[in-house]
Amino acid sequence: DVKVTQSSRYLVKRTGEKVFLECVQDMDHENMFWYRQDPGLGLRLIYFSYDVKMKEKGDIPEGYSVSREKKERFSLILESASTNQTSMYLCASTPPRGKLFFGSGTQLSVL
Amino acid sequence: AQTVTQSQPEMSVQEAETVTLSCTYDTSESDYYLFWYKQPPSRQMILVIRQEAYKQQNATENRFSVNFQKAAKSFSLKISDSQLGDAAMYFCAYRSALNTGNQFYFGTGTSLTVIP
Repeated sequence: DVKVTQSSRYLVKRTGEKVFLECVQDMDHENMFWYRQDPGLGLRLIYFSYDVKMKEKGDIPEGYSVSREKKERFSLILESASTNQTSMYLCASTPPRGKLFFGSGTQLSVL
Repeated sequence: AQTVTQSQPEMSVQEAETVTLSCTYDTSESDYYLFWYKQPPSRQMILVIRQEAYKQQNATENRFSVNFQKAAKSFSLKISDSQLGDAAMYFCAYRSALNTGNQFYFGTGTSLTVIP
């Protein structure tokens, strides 16, 4: 069965900390995505990657960066966490023209 | 960029009844895909149904069916014989069929409550 795995389900961090959210997929998909989900705002795209070492900004990239050194792994980095980055973060992957496969999400709280 | 609009933030339905969730989208493309995803309290996003724009026939998956109106850019989801397990947040999504169509565009979601 296909799988997208996010390393943490819940995470609590302090303001100013550097935060790494990890995502791994086992389906050999080229495309991977990081979304942020907030009530009333739906899913907003932070960054996506269509190949190793390739990345593109989504709708809300400010305060975030990403890394894709291997095809199966896509990391989201909060360089200096702030309270307004408290949110649910969803990772997803997809083959060309296919559906999105989602991870189970990471609920991040920044105190 | 394409936009997807879900105008119903919340809906409720009696168990065993039928409910329709609305979705409209804006695009200048002729070939694309539309999806409905379900997010139950477990937070795991689950694909409910998918529609290819070039297909005139509406997609169906058991109790779930869509009413795809391409000219009106409308893509509603009908849930028949609603069950308690259908209670969830539902998201409508759009994806271009172009080779460069990597992005998905989501609506803001509809929270469905099923009343026993």
